Amino acid sequence: NAGVMQNPRHLVRRRGQEARLRCSPMKGHSHVYWYRQLPEEGLKFMVYLQKENIIDESGMPKERFSAEFPKEGPSILRIQQVVRGDSAAYFCASSPPYPDNTGELFFGEGSRLTVL
Amino acid sequence: AQSVTQLGSHVSVSEGALVLLRCNYSSSVPPYLFWYVQYPNQGLQLLLKYTSAATLVKGINGFEAEFKKSETSFHLTKPSAHMSDAAEYFCAVRNQAGTALIFGKGTTLSVSS
Repeated sequence: NAGVMQNPRHLVRRRGQEARLRCSPMKGHSHVYWYRQLPEEGLKFMVYLQKENIIDESGMPKERFSAEFPKEGPSILRIQQVVRGDSAAYFCASSPPYPDNTGELFFGEGSRLTVL
Repeated sequence: AQSVTQLGSHVSVSEGALVLLRCNYSSSVPPYLFWYVQYPNQGLQLLLKYTSAATLVKGINGFEAEFKKSETSFHLTKPSAHMSDAAEYFCAVRNQAGTALIFGKGTTLSVSS
């Protein structure tokens, strides 16, 4: 049973370019979460999505960042006009729908974005 | 709002010694609490979780944690450290809306021989 799959694992962009990070949840999971990890800061929640719906985006920066989870295909975290401060590891997690959801999140191995 | 505080960003122990990683939480509702472990360049793996059942929770790799409401704590312990336990450990609490886990800043555990 494949886990949460993220790609690319590593991505290098120059300032001003766009970054797209993809996440396929575990089989049977319909909830997707995105987190950002910076050194010494732990993981910061960004957004929680279900199929075709953004449920909680309270952690998303107001500009340049967007996320989607279409009916078909992976979830996408999109960062427009990247800046050096966007360099971080971005983790996707998934969880099953209720009533199987016990609060646990299943994490992918992350996508590491470097902005030159 | 829910939050967690992990006391000590770095903990060093000798192989075979007791491991104690501290976590205090703040929650306006009965909390769901979690400990995750992260090895270098990998994702997070669940060690154990507390969801209002037994206050002493046993997890994988010999770790356990005790929920103490009076102290708002959920400390992680292991009786005898192994070299393979060297990693970063994160405590987390589920937010009130149930839409996310809120993580502490992490504790890096070093194990020396």
